[in-house]
Amino acid sequence: QKEVEQDPGPLSVPEGAIVSLNCTYSNSAFQYFMWYRQYSRKGPELLMYTYSSGNKEDGRFTAQVDKSSKYISLFIRDSQPSDSATYLCAMSWSGGSNYKLTFGKGTLLTVNP
Amino acid sequence: DADVTQTPRNRITKTGKRIMLECSQTKGHDRMYWYRQDPGLGLRLIYYSFDVKDINKGEISDGYSVSRQAQAKFSLSLESAIPNQTALYFCATSDFNSYEQYFGPGTRLTVT
Repeated sequence: QKEVEQDPGPLSVPEGAIVSLNCTYSNSAFQYFMWYRQYSRKGPELLMYTYSSGNKEDGRFTAQVDKSSKYISLFIRDSQPSDSATYLCAMSWSGGSNYKLTFGKGTLLTVNP
Repeated sequence: DADVTQTPRNRITKTGKRIMLECSQTKGHDRMYWYRQDPGLGLRLIYYSFDVKDINKGEISDGYSVSRQAQAKFSLSLESAIPNQTALYFCATSDFNSYEQYFGPGTRLTVT
């Protein structure tokens, strides 16, 4: 079993839809959770970063962490064509000086006008 | 100017050739990373460096080597390229004590 599982999609939605992107993980030591957005032919860029269980909101984006279920989600409200990208979850554990990230494979999202 | 730059952006090379990919950063971060990205496999860590004198292997280091020439420069070498090293390569940086990594634009490498 991979440490981080993410449905690769592709996911296609109409403009204005609410999008839900999800990852599950198996390593209960993971404590830091991130979502990266990667446009075509670009490097990933950090979108959101959470530490604790619960929700964190930033504009149209909400990151949700459920450590008891080992499940994280990214919600996009009022999705726009400019949100079309690959979304990667990433996570890490606090262990000495280990700051390495473990990434999901990414979900390709297309928002249609 | 971009904070993390990679050269070249695209490269086609032949099997058996030596190739170097370079990464420079102006973010002042101590930590630098090299990843490769393949369809269906996601991002996988090749090597990472927490400072100039510290080099560590990642999960897929075989066939690769790195050099940290300065705090701002981290290069990846393929001593004898093979076709299954065809991939998108990313350099990333992070600050001390931070989990947030910042990625360069990537190098698309094709080995024929």
